[in-house]
Amino acid sequence: DAKTTQPPSMDCAEGRAANLPCNHSTISGNEYVYWYRQIHSQGPQYIIHGLKNNETNEMASLIITEDRKSSTLILPHATLRDTAVYYCIVRAGNSNTGNQFYFGTGTSLTVIP
Amino acid sequence: KAGVTQTPRYLIKTRGQQVTLSCSPISGHRSVSWYQQTPGQGLQFLFEYFSETQRNKGNFPGRFSGRQFSNSRSEMNVSTLELGDSALYLCASSTSSGGAYEQYFGPGTRLTVT
Repeated sequence: DAKTTQPPSMDCAEGRAANLPCNHSTISGNEYVYWYRQIHSQGPQYIIHGLKNNETNEMASLIITEDRKSSTLILPHATLRDTAVYYCIVRAGNSNTGNQFYFGTGTSLTVIP
Repeated sequence: KAGVTQTPRYLIKTRGQQVTLSCSPISGHRSVSWYQQTPGQGLQFLFEYFSETQRNKGNFPGRFSGRQFSNSRSEMNVSTLELGDSALYLCASSTSSGGAYEQYFGPGTRLTVT
């Protein structure tokens, strides 16, 4: 019951913006989209999340389409340290029902010097 | 603040044995979730605990169980181990079970079943 699909790999030149797409066409109206990244089989690291509106923080921007069927994570100035596997996740549930994260298969981003 | 800690970090067990993994969440965090990560299946949700209650459970057999203590520390248990249980088991904590629900992950426990 995969809820997200992502390209398996992408390359990005150092200093350029990295745009990572995610398809979540079956997302429900109250389900959030989260992005995490994982480096060298360490624990995943939170990047950003959103529901309907575009979001920005110190790490990245999240652009969600109006129909919410897809989103794009933007790393504005990629560095070598951004090389990692990036996961697009749909969060189902809430504080009443309990939560469940549906991880995609991830995109392996390689930042090239 | 100290991060999420998991013990042990590495474990080797034999088929048929049972194993208990431990997770200490970030201080003040009351929600703990467990995930299994394998090369074939990726990251899969096991269960979520909040205030000592299991709130949600993923699609895993009953051999996988867990619990949460009053200090929010959590354990997960796998009985009658199978070769396919070899995986990285990740624990994540969050301040609550709702809202932004930003989860912080531990380094994981690498379980090898032989």
